[in-house]
Amino acid sequence: RKEVEQDPGPFNVPEGATVAFNCTYSNSASQSFFWYRQDCRKEPKLLMSVYSSGNEDGRFTAQLNRASQYISLLIRDSKLSDSATYLCVVSNTGKLIFGQGTTLQVKP
Amino acid sequence: NAGVTQTPKFRVLKTGQSMTLLCAQDMNHEYMYWYRQDPGMGLRLIHYSVGEGTTAKGEVPDGYNVSRLKKQNFLLGLESAAPSQTSVYFCASSTGTGVFSETQYFGPGTRLLVL
Repeated sequence: RKEVEQDPGPFNVPEGATVAFNCTYSNSASQSFFWYRQDCRKEPKLLMSVYSSGNEDGRFTAQLNRASQYISLLIRDSKLSDSATYLCVVSNTGKLIFGQGTTLQVKP
Repeated sequence: NAGVTQTPKFRVLKTGQSMTLLCAQDMNHEYMYWYRQDPGMGLRLIHYSVGEGTTAKGEVPDGYNVSRLKKQNFLLGLESAAPSQTSVYFCASSTGTGVFSETQYFGPGTRLLVL
């Protein structure tokens, strides 16, 4: 079983749609959680950290459920520019473990 | 600030050849990392360094060596390239202090093809 699992998609949605990505992790000792964004043929970049109480950054909302070992990312009012691969990342003692990514394609 | 840079951007090797990938960062970060990314696999950690002169193995270290002689540079070496090492290689760095220092900053990647 992979340590971090994501549905690879692709998710194809129209502009303005709300889309949610899910991620599960297997190591209950994981300490920190993140979503990274990776554009095609580019490097990953931090989108947002995920806090236990949940957090929001503009149109993006991240949730963490430690009991279920589950992380989610919600994108509201999708833009064409949101098209990318979203990587779920967990950390234990500073080393990052990456999920394989979920691909989002936002269409006009 | 250039951030994290990688050299070269693209390389084709024949099986058995050797090469060195260079990573440089100008953010005075303590920690540096080398990953490889393959389709459907996500990023996997090859080696990492928590400071100048120190290195450690990651998840997939076999066939690679690293050196961190200067704080700003982290070199990844392939002594005898194999087709299984065809991949995109990313270098990253982080401050190394505190939980949120785990934010890693990535270089643009090196695409390596081994024939």
